[in-house]
Amino acid sequence: QQQVKQSPQSLIVQKGGISIINCAYENTAFDYFPWYQQFPGKGPALLIAIRPDVSEKKEGRFTISFNKSAKQFSLHIMDSQPGDSATYFCAARGGSEKLVFGKGTKLTVNP
Amino acid sequence: NAGVMQNPRHLVRRRGQEARLRCSPMKGHSHVYWYRQLPEEGLKFMVYLQKENIIDESGMPKERFSAEFPKEGPSILRIQQVVRGDSAAYFCASSPRAMSGNTIYFGEGSWLTVV
Repeated sequence: QQQVKQSPQSLIVQKGGISIINCAYENTAFDYFPWYQQFPGKGPALLIAIRPDVSEKKEGRFTISFNKSAKQFSLHIMDSQPGDSATYFCAARGGSEKLVFGKGTKLTVNP
Repeated sequence: NAGVMQNPRHLVRRRGQEARLRCSPMKGHSHVYWYRQLPEEGLKFMVYLQKENIIDESGMPKERFSAEFPKEGPSILRIQQVVRGDSAAYFCASSPRAMSGNTIYFGEGSWLTVV
């Protein structure tokens, strides 16, 4: 019940395309859902986050869509750029300080 | 404003040796978290500390691992008698208070290799 399932494991997109990464969870106590971006050899950096009282949050080219009834949330990267090539992790937290992470999606944006 | 500082960045230990990983939180942050990342895996929570207190160590292996965050100085993650399976990236994060969502910052990690 503490798992966050993330898909796909890897994703290749052409420059200018839309990248979509999906996550699903079971624990209804989760109340905070962040996405992290990680470049090789670096620590994860917070990209965008959402709470379950809203269904969508947009920051620049990054949008989180949240479906509370389905217990799913997704990250959309519009107009994907080669500089977006990185590993993306969804995460969830609720009832404690622990962040539970998905296994990550390696995104490659081809020029 | 320096970020979360971790050292060493890379550490090689032989099986049976001890590894000590250090984390200095961001200025003004009194909450520290340690996570472990195995190859091709997401980060897994290990321990949450405040100054001089371990608040949640539910993700720490029962043996060989310990963590501290003294009144003065960095937080230390200590791994005794390392084994090959301990090879991983260890990330520290800090925040100014509990339950702070967008103010949790991760360091760049310490990569432990056990040979």
